[in-house]
Amino acid sequence: AQSVTQLDSQVPVFEEAPVELRCNYSSSVSVYLFWYVQYPNQGLQLLLKYLSGSTLVKGINGFEAEFNKSQTSFHLRKPSVHISDTAEYFCAVSSFYNTDKLIFGTGTRLQVFP
Amino acid sequence: NAGVTQTPKFQVLKTGQSMTLQCAQDMNHNSMYWYRQDPGMGLRLIYYSASEGTTDKGEVPNGYNVSRLNKREFSLRLESAAPSQTSVYFCASSELKLGFYEQYFGPGTRLTVT
Repeated sequence: AQSVTQLDSQVPVFEEAPVELRCNYSSSVSVYLFWYVQYPNQGLQLLLKYLSGSTLVKGINGFEAEFNKSQTSFHLRKPSVHISDTAEYFCAVSSFYNTDKLIFGTGTRLQVFP
Repeated sequence: NAGVTQTPKFQVLKTGQSMTLQCAQDMNHNSMYWYRQDPGMGLRLIYYSASEGTTDKGEVPNGYNVSRLNKREFSLRLESAAPSQTSVYFCASSELKLGFYEQYFGPGTRLTVT
């Protein structure tokens, strides 16, 4: 079975500052990793994914994430945030053998202040 | 394409009342899902349908029933609503894309049970 831990429930940051949202996972088999973003009063949309290959993956809106197998982490980063990045961010994992089921973390609320 | 649509957007029920949440997708996806989102708990899978005519329980199926009416529609029924079912409900659909299932989410239904 897989599990996902998002260590920070809220991350406040000022506009144009860098941000890192942390995600750790647990699994006994190979996994695919995802970050989803949920803007206020909307559904979730895929931000980026790691399937294989380069451990640094780039997503939409200038976000990137790095897969670290030894530390079982998949942290999300952005070098300079904008007010419009204010949203909830969910890390998710699926097993290599059961890719149609996602296990979500509890979410991190990113609040960007002017 | 409308993507994934859900009705209603908001609903207030009294304890013991029943209702059906509707979901439809126009992307010709085989797989569809129902999740609930609660503060501090992320998204949890209620039921899943891999194809028309098949349904499987997810992590939190108790108190719910589902019906995959056809390829487009996947409904969630609460037979006797309880306050513990107050939540935001998301429907999603997915397709196999480059070796993984990318899930597309609807805008959600906010349900309050008093």
